[in-house]
Amino acid sequence: QSALTQPASVSGSLGQSITVSCTGTSSDVGSYDYVSWYQHYSGKAPKLLIFEVSNRPSEISSRFSGSKSGNTASLTISGLQAEDEGDYYCSSYTTSDTVLFGGGTKVTVL
Amino acid sequence: EVQLMEAGGGLVQPGGSLRLSCATSGYTFSSYWMFWVRQAPGKGLVWVSRISSDGRPTGYADSVKGRFTISRDNAKNTLYLQMNSLRPEDTGLYYCARETWGMAANYWGQGTLVTVSS
Repeated sequence: QSALTQPASVSGSLGQSITVSCTGTSSDVGSYDYVSWYQHYSGKAPKLLIFEVSNRPSEISSRFSGSKSGNTASLTISGLQAEDEGDYYCSSYTTSDTVLFGGGTKVTVL
Repeated sequence: EVQLMEAGGGLVQPGGSLRLSCATSGYTFSSYWMFWVRQAPGKGLVWVSRISSDGRPTGYADSVKGRFTISRDNAKNTLYLQMNSLRPEDTGLYYCARETWGMAANYWGQGTLVTVSS
């Protein structure tokens, strides 16, 4: 069970758009539309941003959007704001009836 | 208001055991599947285990299989994680989480810290 692959860091300027990728295999991301994205500050409770690839909980800003192509899912943050700085994790259901997280991506706002 | 609160963490020697609990309130506990997720110091989130709403364990991470057991008491609105044969690499902050659509988790506790060290 190797973690899903995410870039270690992504940065962008205020107001820009950035995309965080999440690459898995045909046994996880490629098999199901059960990809989720979380924002996490260490020691705090993670916050769900996206579920089922592209669905957003009602309280989450429309600046966050998700997509998937093949074995790779993506999270796009548009109109980057200072408060978007933090760690972002993807997760996916797998054919082994488990859930895999990505290694996490640190987003920095320049 | 939905609330989840973990307890039971602490310092334990390698080979020892701990039982974590997650007390919940503000929703119908027996209607939702639940997760445990952990984070080692300086590392990322790692899924540990998942249990169905009626108490069937549905999966464990390979790293804990055979050593950890997830369970729940729907009468007490509480989720548990029995951890045996603990190893230093099990050290971390353990979160419980409530599952929503698509195996996502929309409510999380604040975590309980487990330290495995001699």
